[in-house]
Parts: sequence; C-alpha cells; structure tokens
Amino acid sequence: DAGITQSPRHKVTETGTPVTLRCHQTENHRYMYWYRQDPGHGLRLIHYSYGVKDTDKGEVSDGYSVSRSKTEDFLLTLESATSSQTSVYFCAISSGTSGSRYFGPGTRLLVL
Amino acid sequence: GENVEQHPSTLSVQEGDSAVIKCTYSDSASNYFPWYKQELGKRPQLIIDIRSNVGEKKDQRIAVTLNKTAKHFSLHITETQPEDSAVYFCAAMYSGGGADGLTFGKGTHLIIQP
Repeated sequence: DAGITQSPRHKVTETGTPVTLRCHQTENHRYMYWYRQDPGHGLRLIHYSYGVKDTDKGEVSDGYSVSRSKTEDFLLTLESATSSQTSVYFCAISSGTSGSRYFGPGTRLLVL
Repeated sequence: GENVEQHPSTLSVQEGDSAVIKCTYSDSASNYFPWYKQELGKRPQLIIDIRSNVGEKKDQRIAVTLNKTAKHFSLHITETQPEDSAVYFCAAMYSGGGADGLTFGKGTHLIIQP
C-alpha cells in the first residue's frame, strides 16, 4: 500500500482543543496531500506539500495548518477543533505532477 | 478551476451484469483521468487511469473510455462480482500544472445484487 501510514487511526476530541494528525511515507515521494472525506462531498483537498517546508492551500484549508520538516512526514494541525471538522482524513502521496495519488489508511476524527 | 460531475450516485446491478459510471469535466485542458475504488472503511485505491492521448483503456473486466470533445469519461465493469461492491470516484486534472490539480467527483455507490 505504497508505504504510507497515518497516526492516530481514530481520535475523539473536544471542541476547542488542538489536534495533530501525522502522515508518514517510506517512498521518498516529493508530493504529499491531506484530504478530508465527508458524505456527499467526496474527497476535498485541504493542504498539500511539494517539498520540505514547501506547502500550499487546497480547496478547504480554513481552520487547518500543515508542516513538513522532513520528506517522510507531513503533519496536519487543527488549531482549535470544531464539530464541522469531524471527518475522515486521508493523506496521499505522489511521485510527481503526473496525477497518480496513493492514499494512506485514513484517520477517523470525531469532534464533540 | 476544474469541476467534475459524477453519475449516478447509486447504482444497483445484478451479479454478472455490466455497470457503467459516467463523469463529466469542465476544463478542456485536463489530460489525466483516474478512477478510484473505495471499499467500506478502507482507503481509495487507484484501479485504472487514462490520459487524453487515448480514447479507451482496458484492464481485465474494467475499462475506461474518454470523449474529449464532449468532455466526459466513463468506467465500465463487465461480469460484475460481489467484490465489485464499493464506492467509485472519478477524477480529472491537468498534469504538468500545479501539484494540487486533481479534482474528484462525489462518488458512485455500486451495489452488486446476488
């Protein structure tokens, strides 16, 4: 499964608390992505990275920040979690801009 | 930006019959069209993709067709089996542009009736 792991796999938190999700890859791919998946919305891009310390916003970036200090790790932070951020979060990697994305196993986040 | 519409949202077929899922896209510059399969509780997995320099691609029981003029592409599954039950997502992008360019459809829940 393309050498991608996510942690934690499940998390329950309370409104207003900070949450950090981790994506780790062993493929040495340049591009990494964070998506959220919600019923009726498909997969929506939150943030992406095109190299160490190089990141940019996606379609639904409000309320989220990211960091990439090493090629293999891409962190997604919810500074102050809200109930609207309850979702399944998928990390993905790509070797280039050709398009093919490979997804991690997902993190199921519940914000109470 | 790109907009991808996917139909139907739910498709129920008898085991052994064929299933067709259709997507339309808005950006005529898009040149890469992947399809993903997501089983319940699992990650989306790439099952087939097509680039705009070809009109059709097959891999065993699945095939994808592309009509650039009409800006639509379709996934065809023949001789459906119970393990084909899943949610299928189409996507479109212009490869060679920005790294963020992949836009997904909202998904089709394919149900294979025994």
